[in-house]
Amino acid sequence: NAGVMQNPRHLVRRRGQEARLRCSPMKGHSHVYWYRQLPEEGLKFMVYLQKENIIDESGMPKERFSAEFPKEGPSILRIQQVVRGDSAAYFCASSPGAANYGYTFGSGTRLTVV
Amino acid sequence: AQSVAQPEDQVNVAEGNPLTVKCTYSVSGNPYLFWYVQYPNRGLQFLLKYITGDNLVKGSYGFEAEFNKSQTSFHLKKPSALVSDSALYFCAVRDLNYGGATNKLIFGTGTLLAVQP
Repeated sequence: NAGVMQNPRHLVRRRGQEARLRCSPMKGHSHVYWYRQLPEEGLKFMVYLQKENIIDESGMPKERFSAEFPKEGPSILRIQQVVRGDSAAYFCASSPGAANYGYTFGSGTRLTVV
Repeated sequence: AQSVAQPEDQVNVAEGNPLTVKCTYSVSGNPYLFWYVQYPNRGLQFLLKYITGDNLVKGSYGFEAEFNKSQTSFHLKKPSALVSDSALYFCAVRDLNYGGATNKLIFGTGTLLAVQP
């Protein structure tokens, strides 16, 4: 019973390149959440998705960031034209549909922009 | 808006001593509260949650938390700390802005627990 799988674990991109972060939720989980962790800033919510739907993207920067959770395949967090300030750990979590469950987190993708 | 506050950036405790990591919350309605732990270079791991019922909630690794409605607190406790408990601890509250239909969690800024041998 695999947990939440994120890949890659580490990603290095040059400024201006695109970064694609993948998240496969736990089996049976239909809700996916993306969080960003910056040093000294804790865990910040970015986006909440269900299959083929974005439920809440209130934490997503207005430009360059997008997320999807297609009917088939993993959820993708895409960052276009990366800048140094995008360097962070990005965590994906999943949950079943019931509202009072907590999350299961992946191990994260550490993005470094050089 | 729902929020949680962790007033201490770091808590230091000697091994064998009791530990407390503080968390206060602000919600409109009944709170759904959680504690998670993060070890270095890892994702967050679930420790315990309060949904309803007994105010004292027991969780993983010997941790427990006490829900106090009058003080709007949900402090994490352990009777006897271990060096291996050293990690970053996050308190979280479920966001109720969608009328209960969401499972979005709002996290505190984290408290680093350092247990000295």
